[in-house]
Formats: sequence, C-alpha cells, structure tokens
Amino acid sequence: DAGVIQSPRHEVTEMGQEVTLRCKPISGHDYLFWYRQTMMRGLELLIYFNNNVPIDDSGMPEDRFSAKMPNASFSNLKIQPSEPRDSAVYFCASSLARTRVEGEQFFGPGTRLTVL
Amino acid sequence: DQQVKQNSPSLSVQEGRISILNCDYTNSMFDYFLWYKKYPAEGPTFLISISSIKDKNEDGRFTVFLNKSAKHLSLHIVPSQPGDSAVYFCAADRDDKIIFGKGTRLHILP
Repeated sequence: DAGVIQSPRHEVTEMGQEVTLRCKPISGHDYLFWYRQTMMRGLELLIYFNNNVPIDDSGMPEDRFSAKMPNASFSNLKIQPSEPRDSAVYFCASSLARTRVEGEQFFGPGTRLTVL
Repeated sequence: DQQVKQNSPSLSVQEGRISILNCDYTNSMFDYFLWYKKYPAEGPTFLISISSIKDKNEDGRFTVFLNKSAKHLSLHIVPSQPGDSAVYFCAADRDDKIIFGKGTRLHILP
C-alpha cells in the first residue's frame, strides 16, 4: 500500500480564495483524521470520521472550514474564504480501528498551505 | 488550555548517550499514551505507546515510562543515534481522539 496520500503537497493562495485539500486513506482503514500543525498551537485535531461519517468536528476552527468524506477512499478539507492565519501544514491520517486497539494512526506527508 | 505539555522545545544529546524526552498531562482521564516521531517534510510516525495499567513499555532502544500520580511520562532513547534527530510528539488518547503536545526537537550531536 502507498500509505496515506495527500494532495497538493504545497498550496499558495491569496486571501479570500477557496482552498481544497485532498486525502486518500489507506485501504481498509475505518478512521480518517484531519490535523493542522502550526508553531503556536502544535498539532491539533480538526475533525475525524468513522466509516465515512463525521464523528467529532469540535476542532474545526470556524464555519469557513468544512470536511467531507463521500466514500471510503477519499476525503477533502475546504477553507472558504481562506485567510492568512490559516497558513499551516495540514495532515490527514487514517487508522484501522480505535487507537488503543490497533495502536497507530498513519499520517500522510501533509499539505503546506500559505495564504497571502 | 494545553492538556498535553512538552515544555522543552528542543534538546541536544551526544551520539551514544541517553536521550530523555518529557511530557506532562493535565487530564487524569487519559489512559493511553503515545509517542510519535516526525522528520522534516514528512508526517508523524508512530513510535511507541503505553497503557495506564503499565508504568513501563520497552521496544528496542525506546522505553516509555508513565508516572500516573505525577501525570508525567517520558521517552528514553538509548543509545541515541544520528537518525533519531527529529521532532518527537507526546500524545494522549481520549475517546478515539489523540491530543498531541507541541513537540520536542531532538538533535543528536556527533
């Protein structure tokens, strides 16, 4: 398996534009997570899905952020409109089952977003 | 409010010596803890975990210690190797969600 795939790897956009980040989880994994990493806040969970259903989106910072998982092999995270403070590295991760049962989440390489 | 705290942003250790990375948590309901390692331009990778029913878990050169009364855990790497230079994240599991600390950057010096 190729692991978790994220695209694009880098995104530079202007304030006010819509940004779409994409993720393909590892086949067979039931859980999918979106994280954001910044210097100030570290690595923080935005939202996670179980069997394509959003379970907890309490980490989504504002209504400008939305995430969907239309099927088991794809998820996207949208920011509309984007703002400079959204600049960060966004990670997608997937896991086989509950963390403590199967242990680990597998992370993608991340998307570095810069909003000018 | 940070529920998982890594108070040392960076740490430098001589190759061959022991590296000790520390982590504190505030929520006594956490009962499963993990360490992840991250290289530049890559996603974090799972390193080792520990359940609260244990106070120690060992995997090769890596050992995690848990002190529940102090709400403290530590990761020991011995001996430290150049490839260990990375950012290490401490994390706690709560209801299927992992809460990460901000990370400690470990530099292994030749």
